[in-house]
Amino acid sequence: GAVVSQHPSWVICKSGTSVKIECRSLDFQATTMFWYRQFPKQSLMLMATSNEGSKATYEQGVEKDKFLINHASLTLSTLTVTSAHPEDSSFYICSEREQSDTQYFGPGTRLTVL
Amino acid sequence: ELKVEQNPLFLSMQEGKNYTIYCNYSTTSDRLYWYRQDPGKSLESLFVLLSNGAVKQEGRLMASLDTKARLSTLHITAAVHDLSATYFCAVDIGAQKLVFGQGTRLTINP
Repeated sequence: GAVVSQHPSWVICKSGTSVKIECRSLDFQATTMFWYRQFPKQSLMLMATSNEGSKATYEQGVEKDKFLINHASLTLSTLTVTSAHPEDSSFYICSEREQSDTQYFGPGTRLTVL
Repeated sequence: ELKVEQNPLFLSMQEGKNYTIYCNYSTTSDRLYWYRQDPGKSLESLFVLLSNGAVKQEGRLMASLDTKARLSTLHITAAVHDLSATYFCAVDIGAQKLVFGQGTRLTINP
């Protein structure tokens, strides 16, 4: 099955800085990938759909200028949290979906903003 | 707005017992997923249910889907400690998007 990797697995940054998270599909060419956010002890919330070669589509309430998504190739999507603040601290998880309908999730990136 | 509600949210049970986790959703969908999440980890796919009446089993876990009732169940048979985790159901709302339930935190005691 598909394997999704994320880098870094965790990151600590100062408030006001930007952080880039990479999501790679290791054995599947994904034209569409998804970014989720999970706050501690809460469920996953879809942030945006990352479309290869075009603009991402964001869910209601997600600031597109703050969470920049780039999907420049079929195997790489990046999420950049710009001017991060402590309330952006969360677990960010990407996913892709194969034709089998199974959606595979990356290992996640834990972001802590000081 | 689509709501996906799991019941119970917390479950503590003894090894060897049976129990069921329920997942209700508020809109039409014929695709539902169950995932497991261990602390600090990402999601592991358990079941993909793609039609009304679908039933799938893997080891001590069995999942079913009733699209007319908008209900899915995850049944645990003769629980063992290794099954302790948080379980999420997720409903496909189209365009490959998933809406997740709140999660059920399952603790199995020896």
